[in-house]
Formats: sequence, C-alpha cells, structure tokens
Amino acid sequence: GESVGLHLPTLSVQEGDNSIINCAYSNSASDYFIWYKQESGKGPQFIIDIRSNMDKRQGQRVTVLLNKTVKHLSLQIAATQPGDSAVYFCAENNAGGTSYGKLTFGQGTILTVHP
Amino acid sequence: DTGVSQDPRHKITKRGQNVTFRCDPISEHNRLYWYRQTLGQGPEFLTYFQNEAQLEKSRLLSDRFSAERPKGSFSTLEIQRTEQGDSAMYLCASSLPPDTQYFGPGTRLTVL
Repeated sequence: GESVGLHLPTLSVQEGDNSIINCAYSNSASDYFIWYKQESGKGPQFIIDIRSNMDKRQGQRVTVLLNKTVKHLSLQIAATQPGDSAVYFCAENNAGGTSYGKLTFGQGTILTVHP
Repeated sequence: DTGVSQDPRHKITKRGQNVTFRCDPISEHNRLYWYRQTLGQGPEFLTYFQNEAQLEKSRLLSDRFSAERPKGSFSTLEIQRTEQGDSAMYLCASSLPPDTQYFGPGTRLTVL
C-alpha cells in the first residue's frame, strides 16, 4: 500500500549546524512531494516542495533532494536556528490519474536545535 | 491575515454530543481539504472539495462525519454522536490546483 515514513524520529543539532531530515516513500507513482514544519499547537507550515521531474530544489536555507531510484526524500536545513525546532513531515501526492486531493504524510521527525 | 482560518480553535465536548467545525480557506483557493491528526502522527486525509463538490472521501470518514461546502467558500465538518476516539486535531487546508496545500491552525477536539 501507499506509505511515507521517516528514518529518524528525532534529531538534535547545535545552532549553526546543518540538519538533514530523511524520508522514504513506497509509492513509485507519487509525483509530488512536500515538506511541512509543524510547531506545537499549530497547523503544518509549508517549507518547500518538489515534483518528480526534478531531483533537487533550493529555497531559503532549505534544500530538498529527491532520489526516485531508491524512493528517498531529504530536507537539508543550512545554519539551523533555534526557531527551526519543530516536527517536520514529508508528504506525498499521487496525481497519477486520481487526484491532487490526497496528501499522505509520514510520521514526522522532531528537530531540536540547541543554542 | 489572509491565511486559512478555523473556528473554534479548541472544543471540549461530552461523548454523544454533536460538534461542528468551520474552515475559511484562502479566498481565491477553490480546493478545500480536511485532515485529522492524532498526537505523534502525521495528518490523515479525510475529504476534499473542489468548489462546492465533495470529490473524495476517506474510509476514515464514518457515517457520523459529514462535511459541506455549500457555496464553494467556507466549509463545515460535523461529527455526530462523538466518541472518545474522535479526540484529535482537525486540520483544514486549501489550494489552487496544482499548487501547495496551505493549512490552517486546526481545531483541537477533546471528547470526555
């Protein structure tokens, strides 16, 4: 069945370090991937997305890498700051003939940044 | 604030009562989604609308759940005869296809 999962449930880093959060997905038909950040008591906040015709996309301090061969997605955060502390979710969407409606989320990785 | 808004933010109810949540999407977004999130888990898809049409429903959406978007703008999610297992965060998101889904702050439901 379809599933999106994370390798590491928790990640602790020092302020200023780079962080890498990983995600594995099982549905090879997935063609759109999103990273969300969720702080306690708030809704998920969009960080960056990537479509399956790309293998890398960069934003402000963030980079998403997509490896379709091994069905792996990663989020890199440069110069991590205490404000980056949150739970990070990857989500995938399979538009393939069905719809863009349904996002399937992974379990999440808790990122803690120590000052 | 022009983001997705949800009301109420918190709801405490007794088992067996009915509850209704409201979501106001970003104004130009024609797609609206409902998700449920339990502690420590990622959001789970419940249903979505394109304009006023409900296009997809998850098997998680039992017959006690009903969602509407009568005028293609705001949406309501009603849970009838609430059970303790319904306690969760109910999230609403909106999008303008094929773009990203933007989430609201959620409604936290506690069923006693």
